[in-house]
Amino acid sequence: SQQGEEDPQALSIQEGENATMNCSYKTSINNLQWYRQNSGRGLVHLILIRSNEREKHSGRLRVTLDTSKKSSSLLITASRAADTASYFCATDRWGGYQKVTFGTGTKLQVIP
Amino acid sequence: EAGVAQSPRYKIIEKRQSVAFWCNPISGHATLYWYQQILGQGPKLLIQFQNNGVVDDSQLPKDRFSAERLKGVDSTLKIQPAKLEDSAVYLCASSLLGLRDGLYEQYFGPGTRLTVT
Repeated sequence: SQQGEEDPQALSIQEGENATMNCSYKTSINNLQWYRQNSGRGLVHLILIRSNEREKHSGRLRVTLDTSKKSSSLLITASRAADTASYFCATDRWGGYQKVTFGTGTKLQVIP
Repeated sequence: EAGVAQSPRYKIIEKRQSVAFWCNPISGHATLYWYQQILGQGPKLLIQFQNNGVVDDSQLPKDRFSAERLKGVDSTLKIQPAKLEDSAVYLCASSLLGLRDGLYEQYFGPGTRLTVT
């Protein structure tokens, strides 16, 4: 079963605009990660935020985490055509080992 | 550093045939994952190994899927017999051994695209 639900399922923006995608999850977590998947390729890790953190930045990426609402958001600023990809959140919780569960993904299209 | 290697990249088989996928993780990574990704969906964990042992195979259809990780390094995933609904991309990923208070990112291979006709 998939823990995270991303919203929106698809997003189309112009180059230079900001893109925001959201992830909601159901159970308590240790950490939340965001991954990017370009068409037909494997996933690439973007950023990790721990459950005791509220916000994290990495280059043009900004991630927030609200554990009380069980939600996270990923903001990509000044988007580029190369940002066109699917974005997945992945939650992990400890069950004697790290149990990672991926969400359903947001498909982002950045129009040049 | 070499990435996660997978082979083959593409495979087309008929239903009821068998198929095997191979994965070579990043050197030193104790944890290895196999995911199934159906078009338009997120990756679904099939099986997770820590070194040689299985820690999670709760979503592996054990009547037709099997996986092994010999000597805690390479891994193979087998489907026998294949069904139409097994058409998907099979992703292998590896990571350092995660601890309760620590998490390591997963490194993914390029995947194997399986088409069952």
